[in-house]
Amino acid sequence: QKEVEQNSGPLSVPEGAIASLNCTYSDRVSQSFFWYRQYSGKSPELIMSIYSNGDKEDGRFTAQLNKASQYVSLLIRDSQPSDSATYLCAATPRGGSYIPTFGRGTSLIVHP
Amino acid sequence: EAGVAQSPRYKIIEKRQSVAFWCNPISGHATLYWYQQILGQGPKLLIQFQNNGVVDDSQLPKDRFSAERLKGVDSTLKIQPAKLEDSAVYLCASSSGAQETQYFGPGTRLLVL
Repeated sequence: QKEVEQNSGPLSVPEGAIASLNCTYSDRVSQSFFWYRQYSGKSPELIMSIYSNGDKEDGRFTAQLNKASQYVSLLIRDSQPSDSATYLCAATPRGGSYIPTFGRGTSLIVHP
Repeated sequence: EAGVAQSPRYKIIEKRQSVAFWCNPISGHATLYWYQQILGQGPKLLIQFQNNGVVDDSQLPKDRFSAERLKGVDSTLKIQPAKLEDSAVYLCASSSGAQETQYFGPGTRLLVL
């Protein structure tokens, strides 16, 4: 059973702080990783994708991947109240049928 | 560029009734996904199409759920008969390829009474 694990939270951080969201995956053949943001009552939207070990930065967001530890994280710098949402981690293997697996999501609350 | 379209947005039915959802993916996207998202959980893949062929439907409850993607464009997901536990949001997503970014539609909220 391929699993993607996330702490459901909520993770509460003050405005301006760094929010750190973590995700572990069980399937070693997973090669593509995605972070989606989902506002309450809305559909998921892509924040970042990462395919190689290391860091990938896009504005206030940094994704980190460590395939040896089967660990993916998302850092949000200078957190804003508008970042309050559920963040979903997804993993897709390369090869085979490329079936994506989503975690249950971490709820982030950024308070003023 | 138009996004993924889904209809209806909301549906309330009684158990044992049937219901159908429709999805129109982003133009040119070969891969189409149907997900079920129960409140407080992540999306669970029900079925994945590549053009008009099924890539995976291992998590689709085939005794009551069916899906098709005729002509490799839009798709329908049907539930017959519905159970209380089918109450969820049904999300359709599409991507240009199996490893590419998925773009989600607004979803259909289903309530089974």
